[in-house]
Amino acid sequence: DIQMTQSPSTLSASVGDRVTITCRASQSISSWLAWYQQKPGKAPILLIYKASNLQSGVPSRFSGTGSGTEFTLTISSLQPDDFATYYCQRYNSYPYTFGQGTKLEIK
Amino acid sequence: EVQLRESGGTLVRPGGSLRLSCAVSGFTFSSYWMHWVRQAPGKGLVWVSRISSDGGSTSHADSVKGRFTISRDNAKNTLFLEMNSLRTEDTAVYFCARGNYNYDILTGYYYYMDVWGKGTTVTVPS
Repeated sequence: DIQMTQSPSTLSASVGDRVTITCRASQSISSWLAWYQQKPGKAPILLIYKASNLQSGVPSRFSGTGSGTEFTLTISSLQPDDFATYYCQRYNSYPYTFGQGTKLEIK
Repeated sequence: EVQLRESGGTLVRPGGSLRLSCAVSGFTFSSYWMHWVRQAPGKGLVWVSRISSDGGSTSHADSVKGRFTISRDNAKNTLFLEMNSLRTEDTAVYFCARGNYNYDILTGYYYYMDVWGKGTTVTVPS
C-alpha cells in the first residue's frame, strides 16, 4: 500500500503566523490528495481536495499545493479557530491511507 | 442541509457482532458512493470500507476483510457496516462519510470524502 507521511507531527505557532504542513507519499499519487481538519471529539472537516482545490465554505487562508509525491497545506495567517489536528489522505486507489496527523498547537 | 448520523455503536465482547447504521438526509443518497472511516482512541484516521452508489461494488481494508461488510439501502437512505468476529483492536469511533468525486478524462473517477457524520463509538474490551 502507498504510505503517507506528514511532517511535522506537532507544530507550535502563534495567531497570525504562516504555517506549512508537508505530506509525502511513498509513490506518486498524481493530485489525488485531500486535507482534513479535526478538533477533539469532532468529525473531520474537508479543507482541500485534488491537492489544491478549496472546499466550499473553507476560508481562503487555507491553501494546498503539490503533485506526485510531495504536498503542502499552508495556513496564511493563523486564527484561534485553526488550532486542531490536520490529516492528509490519498484517494488514488484502495485502500485509502491517511497521514499520521499534524497537531497544531498554540505557542 | 446535508446530514449523516451514525448509530449502533456499543460495547461488545470479543468475537461478537454489531451492525452500524448511517442515516443520511439533505442529498440524493442513491447518487453517492459512501465510506466508513474509524479512529481508535488517541489515534489517527483509518479508512475501513467503501460502497458504490448502487451497492454493486465494495472495498474493505485488509484489517477488516472477511469480517466487516458494507451495504446500503437506497430506499431508506441508510448505509450499514456489519461487523463480525470483533477484536479489541476494532475499538474506535466509526464515521460514515459521503464520497464526492473528481473525474479525469484518461483515468476515470476518484472519490474523496466531503461530508462526515459525527461518529458512533464501538468498544471491544480485552
